[in-house]
Amino acid sequence: QVQLQESGPGPVKPSDTLSLTCGVSGHSISSNNWWGWIRQPPGKGLEWIAYIYYTGSTFYNPSLKSRVTMSVDTSRNQFSLKLTSVTAVDTAVYYCSRTHCSSSSCYIDYWGQGTLVTVSS
Amino acid sequence: QSALTQPPSVSGSSGQSVTISCTGTSSDVGSYNRVSWYQQPPGTAPKLMIYEVSNRPSGVPDRFSGSKSGNTASLTISGLQAEDEADYYCSSYTDSSTLVFGGGTKLTVL
Repeated sequence: QVQLQESGPGPVKPSDTLSLTCGVSGHSISSNNWWGWIRQPPGKGLEWIAYIYYTGSTFYNPSLKSRVTMSVDTSRNQFSLKLTSVTAVDTAVYYCSRTHCSSSSCYIDYWGQGTLVTVSS
Repeated sequence: QSALTQPPSVSGSSGQSVTISCTGTSSDVGSYNRVSWYQQPPGTAPKLMIYEVSNRPSGVPDRFSGSKSGNTASLTISGLQAEDEADYYCSSYTDSSTLVFGGGTKLTVL
């Protein structure tokens, strides 16, 4: 059974960089899947952030592209997110995920439990 | 990319059917069958309910069905049950090889 677990340093100050890591168990990250991040501000909807393939190929949400970087560590079976210059609007529950894409489908089949990141001074 | 458009809320009585719409553009929903639906009860992570417009993952009741016409996808839940009460989100693949979500719909079972 695939399991994903987010981890991060906790509260982040405005203008700092938010860094999160997602550990994957029960499945090799070096598989035909995309590994990504979605966030959800308190009381609001889901926002897709980005995903990465194990080769390092990435795609980012255009609205966040200038501030987001994803990386993958196949030796540790984990992937990471960095979001720079954060403000209060970046406060959200951040979910890591596995996305399965093929010629006919593209869907998120596994989600982490989510981690609340609060941006506050 | 703009979020897909969903109604903020829908409601239905137990046993009835409801349909949630998801409207995009020719750059996402209209061009791909890569549309999926997710159920999110309060305080939990989303769960995949429908993928590739109308396919159900193993374990999802056949009361859940999906369809698409043009730029609009739809999720229909028949035989509503109290446990179906949750937020529902659609998602689509886009021309930019990214994903985009709808704004979400709160389903209330009366």
